[in-house]
Amino acid sequence: GDSVTQMEGPVTLSEEAFLTINCTYTATGYPSLFWYVQYPGEGLQLLLKATKADDKGSNKGFEATYRKETTSFHLEKGSVQVSDSAVYFCALITGNQFYFGTGTSLTVIP
Amino acid sequence: NAGVTQTPKFRILKIGQSMTLQCAQDMNHNYMYWYRQDPGMGLKLIYYSVGAGITDKGEVPNGYNVSRSTTEDFPLRLELAAPSQTSVYFCASRHRSLGGDTQYFGPGTRLTVL
Repeated sequence: GDSVTQMEGPVTLSEEAFLTINCTYTATGYPSLFWYVQYPGEGLQLLLKATKADDKGSNKGFEATYRKETTSFHLEKGSVQVSDSAVYFCALITGNQFYFGTGTSLTVIP
Repeated sequence: NAGVTQTPKFRILKIGQSMTLQCAQDMNHNYMYWYRQDPGMGLKLIYYSVGAGITDKGEVPNGYNVSRSTTEDFPLRLELAAPSQTSVYFCASRHRSLGGDTQYFGPGTRLTVL
């Protein structure tokens, strides 16, 4: 079945460090791919998305490129801030159902 | 717009009790979803709806029921609560456009079954 596998955490980085969170997927057809962010005590918020191969989603300095050949959608940011500390979820949709990864907790220290 | 709202925020149930988690959205989205989030497990889909009067099971529907009598509301019913249903429950609605799909999440309901 369809599924998402993402890098396990937790991840701890110093401010201004480079961030990569790996995400790979298994899906039939042509899914859309997403990254969501969850701050403590809140629901998930859409961070970025890509709807077809080679699309790059970007928002707030975060980027991810839809790579069909490697079935990946890795999240990157060049310089993280303390305010980026949160849990990040990779997800895909096929048909009417969304599938989420298990989440990667990021802590950025000053 | 209030977006997606959920009530209550917190609830403690005893084993065997029942309750309804409320979810409402004011964005006129046809698609709505219920998920549960267990620690370290990501989100699991319980039920979803593609429009008023239409519901379908997700990955983990056992022990739950839903109804969708209006576009706005999508309540989740727990009958005979069990400790395994201790979790955080999120409701979401989905907007479809030429630019792709976007899900909007409510703030969640934290349920403990003792």
